[in-house]
Amino acid sequence: NAGVTQTPKFRILKIGQSMTLQCTQDMNHNYMYWYRQDPGMGLKLIYYSVGAGITDKGEVPNGYNVSRSTTEDFPLRLELAAPSQTSVYFCASRNSGQGSQPQHFGDGTRLSIL
Amino acid sequence: GENVEQHPSTLSVQEGDSAVIKCTYSDSASNYFPWYKQELGKRPQLIIDIRSNVGEKKDQRIAVTLNKTAKHFSLHITETQPEDSAVYFCAAGNTGFQKLVFGTGTRLLVSP
Repeated sequence: NAGVTQTPKFRILKIGQSMTLQCTQDMNHNYMYWYRQDPGMGLKLIYYSVGAGITDKGEVPNGYNVSRSTTEDFPLRLELAAPSQTSVYFCASRNSGQGSQPQHFGDGTRLSIL
Repeated sequence: GENVEQHPSTLSVQEGDSAVIKCTYSDSASNYFPWYKQELGKRPQLIIDIRSNVGEKKDQRIAVTLNKTAKHFSLHITETQPEDSAVYFCAAGNTGFQKLVFGTGTRLLVSP
């Protein structure tokens, strides 16, 4: 049981390039989330999904896109990379069962845009 | 929308002392309050959480208290150990979609 797996772990992009951050979970969780964490700060929600085919914006969605074609995968797309998107990106998932099921985080992707 | 403030930003204690970290939130609709521990370069890990129908919750050396009227909640760590050194984040959200808003973190340093 791998949990939440994020790839790549590190990436350097040039301004204007695009890339997709991959996130996959093997726990059959309905809910998935993307956060960014800037140095010395808390996490900010970018997008989330409550199931395959359903996504919605979080706190800081500008410059990002997501899709959820399967329960397992929730990729995050950066179309035109900007220096302000330099950050650590965390994907999380959780069960949609009764009560406040906790979010399980991946190890993160460290992204630098130069 | 929700806004979460967290204090202090840094906290230094001696091994064996207690540590208290405080958070306030703004949205009275929030009903779920988790606390995460993040070691340097690692993923956030849930250490304890509380729902708004409970005033206090304990798990061994860790406890969380919630005051709904004042809209604040606190993390209490007793008998601190060097391995407790990390950054701690509070968050607020709802038990439905769980769109969490995080505080800015408290760096806890426990000296032997």
